Amino acid sequence: ETGVTQTPRHLVMGMTNKKSLKCEQHLGHNAMYWYKQSAKKPLELMFVYNFKEQTENNSVPSRFSPECPNSSHLFLHLHTLQPEDSALYLCASSQGAGGPAETQYFGPGTRLLVL
Amino acid sequence: QKEVEQDPGPLSVPEGAIVSLNCTYSNSAFQYFMWYRQYSRKGPELLMYTYSSGNKEDGRFTAQVDKSSKYISLFIRDSQPSDSATYLCAMSATGGFKTIFGAGTRLFVKA
Repeated sequence: ETGVTQTPRHLVMGMTNKKSLKCEQHLGHNAMYWYKQSAKKPLELMFVYNFKEQTENNSVPSRFSPECPNSSHLFLHLHTLQPEDSALYLCASSQGAGGPAETQYFGPGTRLLVL
Repeated sequence: QKEVEQDPGPLSVPEGAIVSLNCTYSNSAFQYFMWYRQYSRKGPELLMYTYSSGNKEDGRFTAQVDKSSKYISLFIRDSQPSDSATYLCAMSATGGFKTIFGAGTRLFVKA
């Protein structure tokens, strides 16, 4: 596996379900990100982890719970979601130095549908 | 007012045309400017990265930044059907972790 991988690629869940999204990066990076991408809207930054520490929480509702056990893995735990949470959830990683060359590399995303 | 404005399109051009994609922004603190390309069912991939004002060229792609007008552009010369994708502009103030994205412009290049 190379780059940034995400599983599952597609997920359908009811509003009372609990599910988790997984992201893994094989680039030796130290920073990882979760974004939400809705149709015709800009990417919304949700969370940032740098060296396993959360550095950014962009006022995300508590029904989204991130977990970063190490620099290579990032999870997004989902519970009691709403239909408006249906979107493409993208994971990204970057070097982690926080400097001007902080290029982000994205995974293919998980397409989530909440019924 | 949104921090970054980008026309969602779609933009449809014939093969070989010169394509111009643009974004405007409101935050004068932005210093780092990026263009990402996103194919259907894929994540965005970095295409061009520029710092401050000026031009940067890479093959058929040219990125321009005009900080005085708060306006950035991406030009694609000799466009190909394989260029059909959504193009996202992105920018940040200090580099680092917080990047602001435009909504993306959907481009179709017809053979």
